Amino acid sequence: RKEVEQDPGPFNVPEGATVAFNCTYSNSASQSFFWYRQDCRKEPKLLMSVYSSGNEDGRFTAQLNRASQYISLLIRDSKLSDSATYLCVVNGGAQKLVFGQGTRLTINP
Amino acid sequence: EPEVTQTPSHQVTQMGQEVILRCVPISNHLYFYWYRQILGQKVEFLVSFYNNEISEKSEIFDDQFSVERPDGSNFTLKIRSTKLEDSAMYFCASSVATSGGFQETQYFGPGTRLLVL
Repeated sequence: RKEVEQDPGPFNVPEGATVAFNCTYSNSASQSFFWYRQDCRKEPKLLMSVYSSGNEDGRFTAQLNRASQYISLLIRDSKLSDSATYLCVVNGGAQKLVFGQGTRLTINP
Repeated sequence: EPEVTQTPSHQVTQMGQEVILRCVPISNHLYFYWYRQILGQKVEFLVSFYNNEISEKSEIFDDQFSVERPDGSNFTLKIRSTKLEDSAMYFCASSVATSGGFQETQYFGPGTRLLVL
């Protein structure tokens, strides 16, 4: 089983739509969870950390289910600028981040 | 906003040559990292560095690789005797600290694109 597994994508959705990404992780000892976004040929940038109680940042909502080892990201009212690859990231050790393959999202006008 | 910087942005080298990739982490950060991303693949952890020594490394980080903090600001990755398969984007990252098993946010630099011919 892959350490971090994401929806394969790509997702193509119209502007204004709601889109959801899912991710599962294999290491039950993981304690830190993140969503990063990566634009083409650019560095990963933190979108949001994911907390056990779930958290929201504007149009973005992240959920964590430790029992199922499952993380989700919901984007509401999507904008053209949301087009990017979304990376599910989990800590794989004291200092190591483990990245998923990423899900490419394209928002269409 | 403070950011991680990396030089050069692009590096082309011949197979068998040595390259040094440079990074300036965010100034108050204590942990430094290197990751790589082969084109079309996921970001992979190489090494973490704290208090002037390697604290964790992956299987990828073999004797061909070394890291150093030569002064108070720079953090370098040296790749000896480069191979074709070393061609990738190399990202430096830094974080304030870690606390037990919790990972503080890692901030990534813009990367160095290495092409080995």
